Amino acid sequence: NAGVTQTPKFQVLKTGQSMTLQCAQDMNHEYMSWYRQDPGMGLRLIHYSVGAGITDQGEVPNGYNVSRSTTEDFPLRLLSAAPSQTSVYFCASSYRSQWGSNIQYFGAGTRLSVL
Amino acid sequence: AQTVTQSQPEMSVQEAETVTLSCTYDTSESDYYLFWYKQPPSRQMILVIRQEAYKQQNATENRFSVNFQKAAKSFSLKISDSQLGDAAMYFCAYRRRETSYDKVIFGPGTSLSVIP
Repeated sequence: NAGVTQTPKFQVLKTGQSMTLQCAQDMNHEYMSWYRQDPGMGLRLIHYSVGAGITDQGEVPNGYNVSRSTTEDFPLRLLSAAPSQTSVYFCASSYRSQWGSNIQYFGAGTRLSVL
Repeated sequence: AQTVTQSQPEMSVQEAETVTLSCTYDTSESDYYLFWYKQPPSRQMILVIRQEAYKQQNATENRFSVNFQKAAKSFSLKISDSQLGDAAMYFCAYRRRETSYDKVIFGPGTSLSVIP
């Protein structure tokens, strides 16, 4: 049972570099989300998707792009990395119930450092 | 806007004892979900317990139980018979009960240490 898979687990970037954090889920969940986790601030929503081809901004979207071409994949792109983007990133997926999105399943996280 | 507050950045408990983690939230909604997530050093986010606001009965999962006080907007987590494996960061979270996607709002977390 793979669940939600994030790659890579660790990444070091130089300021200005770009990269893509990968997220894949095999549970056929409609909803997928990206969060960043910073000390003392919990998890903050970056972007989310309610289905293939549909994405929207969360609380802290600046500096990040997403796309959802398939149900399974939801990559997060850093266009020009900045030290302020040093964080731990989590991808999550959830299924749609009659009351909306349900319990979120999280990936193992990606620890990103921007020098 | 909804907010979630955890006023205890760090807590500790002796092994086999009971500890209560506090969480308060602010919302004008009447129907919503509340969650406690555990994040051990492995960083994996693990759902511990879930409470639906329309249910008066407090949720329980083995050694984990909640004290849900809707009028006070309080949602504390009680861990009984604490074990070394309970050492982790604990996050309280809130989500409205909507018919479409709605954002989960997380608190800042409480770091729990278990003393042998």
